[in-house]
Amino acid sequence: EVQLVESGGGLVQPGGSLRLSCAASGFTFSNYWMSWFRQAPGKGLEWVANIKPDGGEKNYVDSVKGRFTISRDNAKNSLSLQMNSLRAEDSAVYYCARSSGGAFEIWGQGTVVTVSS
Amino acid sequence: DIVMTQSPLSLPVTPGEPASISCRSSQSLLHSNGYNRLGWYLQKAGQSPQLLIYSASNRASGVPDRFSGSGSGTDFTLKISRVEAEDVGVYYCMQALQTPITFGQGTRLEIK
Repeated sequence: EVQLVESGGGLVQPGGSLRLSCAASGFTFSNYWMSWFRQAPGKGLEWVANIKPDGGEKNYVDSVKGRFTISRDNAKNSLSLQMNSLRAEDSAVYYCARSSGGAFEIWGQGTVVTVSS
Repeated sequence: DIVMTQSPLSLPVTPGEPASISCRSSQSLLHSNGYNRLGWYLQKAGQSPQLLIYSASNRASGVPDRFSGSGSGTDFTLKISRVEAEDVGVYYCMQALQTPITFGQGTRLEIK
């Protein structure tokens, strides 16, 4: 079964750090662009970052540039999002997703990040 | 950044009736490969988004044929031929032509 499972969410203080992980299974992970999305409570969907299959290209939304880092380990079928200098506005459900030709056909179940003192 | 604008934002529909959602982009979504990088997603309450339509007009695997997408360039439409109770949720259009990938505001479909 093709599956993405996120983990690593939790409660963190403003200015703190958190590392999210996404475990992929059921497909050849190294063939696909991967992305992180997020959804703040009661809000719409927002793309956060993506990474090329070989990890050689990474893109970020402006609001997280310099604070978040996307990475992947193709040997472990794993995607990560290192989040530093967290702010209250980073509180959201974070989803990883697989894309093909610009279509995001596989999504994880999400992991909740809460930034609060 | 490409701005995506959806309408309406709220859509009450009687079961069995058709429904239509419009999505407009601030610039053309036509990729060099000839396909529009426009997708439609449905997010049901408490669930992850699910892909309905990709490349503006192609139904994703397992999506009922009552869902259809059309349009090209900057104007796109999602149509549901006969709404069913299970279609309730928030519908988003999304452009993936360039980063940052951006979404419309979402259209909340509810059953009358």
